[in-house]
Amino acid sequence: AQKITQTQPGMFVQEKEAVTLDCTYDTSDPSYGLFWYKQPSSGEMIFLIYQGSYDQQNATEGRYSLNFQKARKSANLVISASQLGDSAMYFCAMRGGGAQKLVFGQGTRLTINP
Amino acid sequence: NAGVTQTPKFQVLKTGQSMTLQCAQDMNHEYMSWYRQDPGMGLRLIHYSVGAGITDQGEVPNGYNVSRSTTEDFPLRLLSAAPSQTSVYFCASSYRSTGIGTQYFGPGTRLLVL
Repeated sequence: AQKITQTQPGMFVQEKEAVTLDCTYDTSDPSYGLFWYKQPSSGEMIFLIYQGSYDQQNATEGRYSLNFQKARKSANLVISASQLGDSAMYFCAMRGGGAQKLVFGQGTRLTINP
Repeated sequence: NAGVTQTPKFQVLKTGQSMTLQCAQDMNHEYMSWYRQDPGMGLRLIHYSVGAGITDQGEVPNGYNVSRSTTEDFPLRLLSAAPSQTSVYFCASSYRSTGIGTQYFGPGTRLLVL
């Protein structure tokens, strides 16, 4: 069975600082994908970044990067130069075994302080 | 291109009532799924479909039915609503591929069962 663990229920960061949101995963599938989604207070799920298990380089999308450490089974999200608009819930999710269904972690609530 | 749409946005039901949550996408995605999000938790998969006429159960299917008669539509039926089904329901869709398979989410339906 696949499992995602996010150990930080909440984080508080000063504006313009970098922030790392932790995510560890468990799977026996050799092929899998890891996703990060942002959920602002308005409730929608916004796709941020994706990392495939066979990707050699860490994924980056603008201010977002994914610190993928396969041996440790971790896929931490790094947000550089945080902004007030980054305040939201962040979910790590996994897709594996050839299926399209996602398994989600419990999320981390990020608050950016001015 | 409207993406993934869901109706209604909000619904109040009495215990024992039935209703259908509507989901539609105009991106010609093969894969569609329903998730529920309970307070303080990540999303959990209810049912999913890999194409018209094909559906399967997810992690928490009890109390829900689905059908997929067209590529575009994937309604979720609550057979006899219970207070435990109070939740926010998200529909998602993606291409059925072995690649990134990013799932795009609808805006959600907030359901309250009294």
